[in-house]
Amino acid sequence: QKEVEQNSGPLSVPEGAIASLNCTYSDRVSQSFFWYRQYSGKSPELIMSIYSNGDKEDGRFTAQLNKASQYVSLLIRDSQPSDSATYLCAGSRNFNKFYFGSGTKLNVKP
Amino acid sequence: DGGITQSPKYLFRKEGQNVTLSCEQNLNHDAMYWYRQDPGQGLRLIYYSQIVNDFQKGDIAEGYSVSREKKESFPLTVTSAQKNPTAFYLCASSSPGANYGYTFGSGTRLTVV
Repeated sequence: QKEVEQNSGPLSVPEGAIASLNCTYSDRVSQSFFWYRQYSGKSPELIMSIYSNGDKEDGRFTAQLNKASQYVSLLIRDSQPSDSATYLCAGSRNFNKFYFGSGTKLNVKP
Repeated sequence: DGGITQSPKYLFRKEGQNVTLSCEQNLNHDAMYWYRQDPGQGLRLIYYSQIVNDFQKGDIAEGYSVSREKKESFPLTVTSAQKNPTAFYLCASSSPGANYGYTFGSGTRLTVV
Protein backbone atom coordinates (compact mmCIF):
# COMPACT_ATOMS: atom_id res chain seq x y z
CA GLN A 1 0.00 0.00 0.00
CA LYS A 2 1.25 3.46 -0.87
CA GLU A 3 1.62 5.91 1.95
CA VAL A 4 -0.90 8.32 0.41
CA GLU A 5 -3.52 7.42 -2.20
CA GLN A 6 -5.89 9.50 -4.27
CA ASN A 7 -8.38 8.87 -7.02
CA SER A 8 -6.81 10.25 -10.20
CA GLY A 9 -10.13 11.53 -11.55
CA PRO A 10 -10.91 13.56 -13.47
CA LEU A 11 -13.57 14.98 -11.22
CA SER A 12 -15.95 17.24 -13.12
CA VAL A 13 -18.24 19.69 -11.35
CA PRO A 14 -20.32 22.61 -12.64
CA GLU A 15 -19.36 26.14 -11.73
CA GLY A 16 -20.75 27.12 -8.33
CA ALA A 17 -20.95 23.53 -7.05
CA ILE A 18 -19.01 21.95 -4.20
CA ALA A 19 -16.01 19.88 -5.26
CA SER A 20 -15.01 17.08 -2.89
CA LEU A 21 -11.53 15.62 -3.10
CA ASN A 22 -10.47 12.64 -1.03
CA CYS A 23 -7.25 11.05 0.10
CA THR A 24 -6.45 7.98 2.24
CA TYR A 25 -3.22 7.25 4.01
CA SER A 26 -1.35 4.39 5.63
CA ASP A 27 -0.14 3.95 9.19
CA ARG A 28 3.29 5.17 8.10
CA VAL A 29 1.94 8.68 7.53
CA SER A 30 0.38 10.05 10.61
CA GLN A 31 1.28 13.54 11.61
CA SER A 32 0.54 16.37 9.26
CA PHE A 33 -1.44 16.60 6.04
CA PHE A 34 -1.38 19.11 3.24
CA TRP A 35 -3.31 19.92 0.09
CA TYR A 36 -1.49 21.40 -2.87
CA ARG A 37 -2.90 22.76 -6.10
CA GLN A 38 -0.90 22.27 -9.28
CA TYR A 39 -1.74 23.91 -12.57
CA SER A 40 -0.51 22.18 -15.71
CA GLY A 41 3.22 22.73 -16.21
CA LYS A 42 3.58 24.61 -12.91
CA SER A 43 4.88 23.71 -9.47
CA PRO A 44 2.54 22.81 -6.60
CA GLU A 45 1.29 25.57 -4.31
CA LEU A 46 0.10 24.98 -0.77
CA ILE A 47 -3.62 25.48 -0.18
CA MET A 48 -4.32 23.98 3.22
CA SER A 49 -2.65 22.14 6.05
CA ILE A 50 -4.36 20.14 8.79
CA TYR A 51 -2.96 18.32 11.80
CA SER A 52 -5.90 17.60 14.10
CA ASN A 53 -9.11 15.64 13.67
CA GLY A 54 -12.01 17.69 12.41
CA ASP A 55 -12.50 20.51 9.96
CA LYS A 56 -10.38 23.50 9.09
CA GLU A 57 -11.81 26.28 6.95
CA ASP A 58 -10.03 28.92 4.89
CA GLY A 59 -12.21 30.95 2.59
CA ARG A 60 -13.85 28.63 0.06
CA PHE A 61 -11.68 25.71 1.15
CA THR A 62 -12.35 23.24 3.98
CA ALA A 63 -9.96 20.45 4.90
CA GLN A 64 -11.25 17.51 6.89
CA LEU A 65 -9.15 14.97 8.76
CA ASN A 66 -10.40 11.68 10.21
CA LYS A 67 -7.51 9.82 11.83
CA ALA A 68 -9.62 6.84 12.87
CA SER A 69 -10.60 6.17 9.26
CA GLN A 70 -7.30 7.46 7.86
CA TYR A 71 -8.67 9.85 5.33
CA VAL A 72 -8.27 13.48 4.48
CA SER A 73 -10.58 15.47 2.27
CA LEU A 74 -10.71 18.90 0.68
CA LEU A 75 -13.98 20.65 -0.06
CA ILE A 76 -14.06 23.57 -2.47
CA ARG A 77 -17.26 25.61 -2.23
CA ASP A 78 -18.58 27.77 -5.05
CA SER A 79 -16.14 26.14 -7.49
CA GLN A 80 -14.77 28.39 -10.20
CA PRO A 81 -13.21 27.51 -13.57
CA SER A 82 -9.95 28.88 -12.16
CA ASP A 83 -10.03 26.03 -9.61
CA SER A 84 -9.47 23.56 -12.46
CA ALA A 85 -6.14 21.94 -11.63
CA THR A 86 -4.62 18.82 -10.14
CA TYR A 87 -4.87 18.60 -6.38
CA LEU A 88 -2.14 16.76 -4.52
CA CYS A 89 -2.58 15.34 -1.05
CA ALA A 90 0.56 14.98 1.07
CA GLY A 91 1.27 13.51 4.46
CA SER A 92 4.32 13.46 6.64
CA ARG A 93 5.97 10.56 8.38
CA ASN A 94 8.02 13.08 10.26
CA PHE A 95 8.16 16.79 9.88
CA ASN A 96 10.97 16.58 7.36
CA LYS A 97 9.74 14.00 4.89
CA PHE A 98 6.44 14.18 3.06
CA TYR A 99 4.74 11.65 0.81
CA PHE A 100 2.49 12.72 -2.03
CA GLY A 101 -0.50 11.09 -3.62
CA SER A 102 -0.67 10.92 -7.41
CA GLY A 103 -3.17 13.78 -7.52
CA THR A 104 -6.80 14.26 -8.51
CA LYS A 105 -7.57 16.30 -11.60
CA LEU A 106 -10.49 18.68 -11.10
CA ASN A 107 -12.42 20.21 -14.00
CA VAL A 108 -14.86 22.99 -13.19
CA LYS A 109 -17.19 23.55 -16.12
CA PRO A 110 -18.60 27.05 -16.74
CA ASP B 1 11.33 38.36 -1.79
CA GLY B 2 12.13 35.00 -0.22
CA GLY B 3 11.78 31.91 -2.31
CA ILE B 4 13.38 29.04 -4.19
CA THR B 5 15.01 29.51 -7.57
CA GLN B 6 15.48 26.60 -9.92
CA SER B 7 17.47 26.84 -13.10
CA PRO B 8 17.34 26.26 -15.93
CA LYS B 9 13.62 26.11 -16.64
CA TYR B 10 14.19 23.77 -19.58
CA LEU B 11 17.15 21.45 -20.07
CA PHE B 12 18.04 19.04 -22.84
CA ARG B 13 20.37 16.13 -22.27
CA LYS B 14 22.12 14.00 -24.79
CA GLU B 15 22.54 10.29 -24.27
CA GLY B 16 25.44 9.51 -21.93
CA GLN B 17 25.71 13.07 -20.63
CA ASN B 18 25.60 14.25 -17.02
CA VAL B 19 23.60 17.38 -16.32
CA THR B 20 23.21 19.46 -13.15
CA LEU B 21 20.03 21.18 -12.03
CA SER B 22 20.42 24.17 -9.77
CA CYS B 23 18.33 24.92 -6.69
CA GLU B 24 18.92 27.99 -4.48
CA GLN B 25 16.76 29.23 -1.59
CA ASN B 26 16.89 32.37 0.54
CA LEU B 27 14.27 31.28 3.07
CA ASN B 28 16.84 30.17 5.64
CA HIS B 29 15.28 26.71 5.55
CA ASP B 30 17.40 23.85 6.86
CA ALA B 31 15.79 21.05 4.84
CA MET B 32 15.81 20.75 1.07
CA TYR B 33 14.38 18.13 -1.26
CA TRP B 34 14.40 16.96 -4.85
CA TYR B 35 11.32 15.36 -6.39
CA ARG B 36 10.64 13.94 -9.81
CA GLN B 37 7.23 14.15 -11.45
CA ASP B 38 6.26 12.16 -14.53
CA PRO B 39 3.20 13.03 -16.63
CA GLY B 40 -0.03 12.25 -14.80
CA GLN B 41 1.80 11.04 -11.74
CA GLY B 42 2.57 12.30 -8.30
CA LEU B 43 5.88 13.40 -6.84
CA ARG B 44 8.58 10.85 -6.08
CA LEU B 45 11.40 11.73 -3.68
CA ILE B 46 14.92 11.53 -5.10
CA TYR B 47 17.13 12.95 -2.33
CA TYR B 48 16.71 15.13 0.69
CA SER B 49 19.00 17.01 3.05
CA GLN B 50 18.20 18.20 6.55
CA ILE B 51 21.50 19.94 7.28
CA VAL B 52 24.58 21.11 5.45
CA ASN B 53 27.01 18.37 4.37
CA ASP B 54 24.45 15.65 4.95
CA PHE B 55 21.83 14.12 2.67
CA GLN B 56 19.78 10.94 2.38
CA LYS B 57 18.49 8.88 -0.50
CA GLY B 58 14.82 9.00 -1.25
CA ASP B 59 12.74 6.39 -3.04
CA ILE B 60 14.32 6.74 -6.50
CA ALA B 61 17.95 7.86 -5.92
CA GLU B 62 19.59 5.56 -8.48
CA GLY B 63 21.20 7.52 -11.30
CA TYR B 64 21.18 10.79 -9.36
CA SER B 65 23.64 12.56 -7.08
CA VAL B 66 23.47 15.65 -4.88
CA SER B 67 25.64 17.84 -2.70
CA ARG B 68 24.86 20.22 0.15
CA GLU B 69 27.91 22.38 0.71
CA LYS B 70 25.90 25.49 1.59
CA LYS B 71 22.60 25.91 3.37
CA GLU B 72 21.18 27.85 0.43
CA SER B 73 22.11 25.43 -2.33
CA PHE B 74 21.16 21.85 -3.19
CA PRO B 75 22.14 20.97 -6.76
CA LEU B 76 21.01 17.73 -8.38
CA THR B 77 23.12 15.90 -10.97
CA VAL B 78 21.36 13.54 -13.33
CA THR B 79 24.01 11.06 -14.36
CA SER B 80 24.26 8.90 -17.45
CA ALA B 81 23.26 5.97 -15.24
CA GLN B 82 19.72 7.35 -15.09
CA LYS B 83 18.20 5.64 -18.11
CA ASN B 84 14.90 7.47 -18.20
CA PRO B 85 15.57 11.03 -17.02
CA THR B 86 12.88 12.84 -18.99
CA ALA B 87 10.64 14.36 -16.31
CA PHE B 88 9.71 17.51 -14.41
CA TYR B 89 12.09 18.06 -11.49
CA LEU B 90 10.98 20.00 -8.44
CA CYS B 91 13.12 21.34 -5.63
CA ALA B 92 11.51 22.18 -2.29
CA SER B 93 12.53 23.39 1.13
CA SER B 94 11.03 23.40 4.59
CA SER B 95 11.79 24.48 8.11
CA PRO B 96 12.29 21.45 10.37
CA GLY B 97 9.71 20.92 13.05
CA ALA B 98 7.34 23.41 11.50
CA ASN B 99 4.05 22.26 10.05
CA TYR B 100 4.16 24.67 7.18
CA GLY B 101 4.62 22.19 4.37
CA TYR B 102 7.05 22.67 1.55
CA THR B 103 7.90 25.70 -0.51
CA PHE B 104 8.52 24.61 -4.10
CA GLY B 105 10.66 26.09 -6.81
CA SER B 106 9.23 26.60 -10.28
CA GLY B 107 10.72 23.36 -11.60
CA THR B 108 13.07 22.22 -14.34
CA ARG B 109 11.78 20.24 -17.27
CA LEU B 110 14.47 17.83 -18.47
CA THR B 111 14.23 16.17 -21.86
CA VAL B 112 16.56 13.58 -23.38
CA VAL B 113 17.38 14.28 -27.03
